[in-house]
Amino acid sequence: DIQMTQSPSSLSASIGDRVTITCRASQSIDNFLNWYQQEPGKAPKLLIYGASNLGSGVPLRFVGSGSGTTFTLTITSLQSEDFASYFCQQSSITPQTFGQGTKLELK
Amino acid sequence: EIQLVESGGGLVQPGRSLRLSCTGSGFPFGDFAMNWVRQAPGKGLEWVGFIRSEASGGTTEYAASFKGRFSISRDDSKSIVFLQMNDLKSEDTALYFCTREKVYYDLLGSYYYFDIWGQGALVTVSS
Repeated sequence: DIQMTQSPSSLSASIGDRVTITCRASQSIDNFLNWYQQEPGKAPKLLIYGASNLGSGVPLRFVGSGSGTTFTLTITSLQSEDFASYFCQQSSITPQTFGQGTKLELK
Repeated sequence: EIQLVESGGGLVQPGRSLRLSCTGSGFPFGDFAMNWVRQAPGKGLEWVGFIRSEASGGTTEYAASFKGRFSISRDDSKSIVFLQMNDLKSEDTALYFCTREKVYYDLLGSYYYFDIWGQGALVTVSS
């Protein structure tokens, strides 16, 4: 199975900050990489698919990039509703696997 | 409104079985592959398996740790996908989500992602 490793596991930031989360795959997955946001007690929500394509209704401050084994999710200016957990997922090879998650907290 | 609603969760003893249901509405359910993903308390997301649309054969794939114990089926006439879980263990305690799989095509390939999620069904395995 392809292992997905996110860093950092947790992150403290302030409203208006620019933050970046990294996701690394144990082998090349081209750009078959998705990002999800999960608020406490809720289902995950799609943010980015195909490494850089914005999901429907997702604000432009969410930017995905990368290919091969290293990917990033950048939030260009944090808003209050962005404090949540974020997960990457590879869809290159079955089984699809997720990163362990990054919890974004208010500083 | 497009939505998925899971049901059938609850408290079950180790070794017993449980079947979850996920009912879709607001979209042509039969046109989509459907997946199950679980999340243990305070943990990350774990893919369980999926079932293809009938047009793609209606076949299933599972993560290795669930093969032989869990099975997925669908009834498109009722817009329902099922997750049958047998020989349940305490480590199966989790929130189980069903998801709709969307595919995006470009020159480089087919990109699969989960664009709609249910609210989850909580399964607690305990004596």
